[in-house]
Amino acid sequence: KAGVTQTPRYLIKTRGQQVTLSCSPISGHRSVSWYQQTPGQGLQFLFEYFSETQRNKGNFPGRFSGRQFSNSRSEMNVSTLELGDSALYLCASTQGPGNTIYFGEGSWLTVV
Amino acid sequence: GEDVEQSLFLSVREGDSSVINCTYTDSSSTYLYWYKQEPGAGLQLLTYIFSNMDMKQDQRLTVLLNKKDKHLSLRIADTQTGDSAIYFCAESINTDKLIFGTGTRLQVFP
Repeated sequence: KAGVTQTPRYLIKTRGQQVTLSCSPISGHRSVSWYQQTPGQGLQFLFEYFSETQRNKGNFPGRFSGRQFSNSRSEMNVSTLELGDSALYLCASTQGPGNTIYFGEGSWLTVV
Repeated sequence: GEDVEQSLFLSVREGDSSVINCTYTDSSSTYLYWYKQEPGAGLQLLTYIFSNMDMKQDQRLTVLLNKKDKHLSLRIADTQTGDSAIYFCAESINTDKLIFGTGTRLQVFP
């Protein structure tokens, strides 16, 4: 059974640009969450989707957005990139509330 | 409120046991998790425990939960150099949103 797959693994963007990251959950999993990991702030929750609906949102500006498709795949978008957005973005999937949560390898974003 | 705390560093000799501690503040936590992160990698689920359990053992890993003190620990028996990594505890409260601790860097020396 394939794990959580995130693409791209590494990318470099310029300030002001936008970026889209993709996450394919484990087959059968309907819930997808996104986290940002930085040395200064640690692991912070961005948002969570279940059956194409956003159920939870973390304390991030509106430049951070996401969506989930009918096949449970999810994307997150960051517009008007800032240097501080440089981070590892992790996607997690689970069958639903109360089930174990598995993470992908992450997407390393560097903003220059 | 939601807050999870861990000590930052732990250094152990190969073959010894490692104990990584975590405290959390929200008594309504339903699940508590331990994840391992190696350099440049994502989070690997090690184990988890339901809030109505006191202990869970999985091969070399033992998780102890003290709900009264809101304290969670992970014991790794016979620690190996391959166990060197950052270990995160995390809590979830009836949702799939995880609140993570700061992570404990475990260094295993020969």
